[in-house]
Amino acid sequence: KAGVTQTPRYLIKTRGQQVTLSCSPISGHRSVSWYQQTPGQGLQFLFEYFSETQRNKGNFPGRFSGRQFSNSRSEMNVSTLELGDSALYLCASSTGLIGSTDTQYFGPGTRLTVL
Amino acid sequence: GNSVTQMEGPVTLSEEAFLTINCTYTATGYPSLFWYVQYPGEGLQLLLKATKADDKGSNKGFEATYRKETTSFHLEKGSVQVSDSAVYFCALSDPYNQGGKLIFGQGTELSVKP
Repeated sequence: KAGVTQTPRYLIKTRGQQVTLSCSPISGHRSVSWYQQTPGQGLQFLFEYFSETQRNKGNFPGRFSGRQFSNSRSEMNVSTLELGDSALYLCASSTGLIGSTDTQYFGPGTRLTVL
Repeated sequence: GNSVTQMEGPVTLSEEAFLTINCTYTATGYPSLFWYVQYPGEGLQLLLKATKADDKGSNKGFEATYRKETTSFHLEKGSVQVSDSAVYFCALSDPYNQGGKLIFGQGTELSVKP
């Protein structure tokens, strides 16, 4: 089975721009979660989508948004970029079934640099 | 709220040494516990998991036991290799209340010298 894929792998943007990141989950997985990884704050949960609906949300400003399509692929958008948004953005997929056996599998990440 | 605390790194060991990375958690409900590993320039790989008290997760020589009485999930390996050099993250989920959301510790960098 193919793993979680993320595109692009690297991005450079300037302050004030917006960016869209894409994530394709493992075939058959219906849940996609997004995380931000920075040296200072570590790994922080952004949001989770399941069956095209946002199921969980972390403590990030409204500039961070996402969506999920009917094929479970997900996109994350960040508007009005700030220098502090520079980070590795990781996507994870899982079956999304409620219960202790569900496991998150991560993609390689998108490295976003904001200048 | 739920949280995870890991021992700070970096941890430097010689090849074939014994490894312990401490992890403690605070959680309500019935969390599942995980160890993930991140190699340079890559995403996170699931190393092992445990879903209930006294469960032992194991993979590639690594082990961790879910201890509810001490709220701990320490990672151990009897003999480390240079190829084990990476950053290790302890994490928990509350699958019945918070779906797929993972809460991570701050990560522990391991460096193994030949």
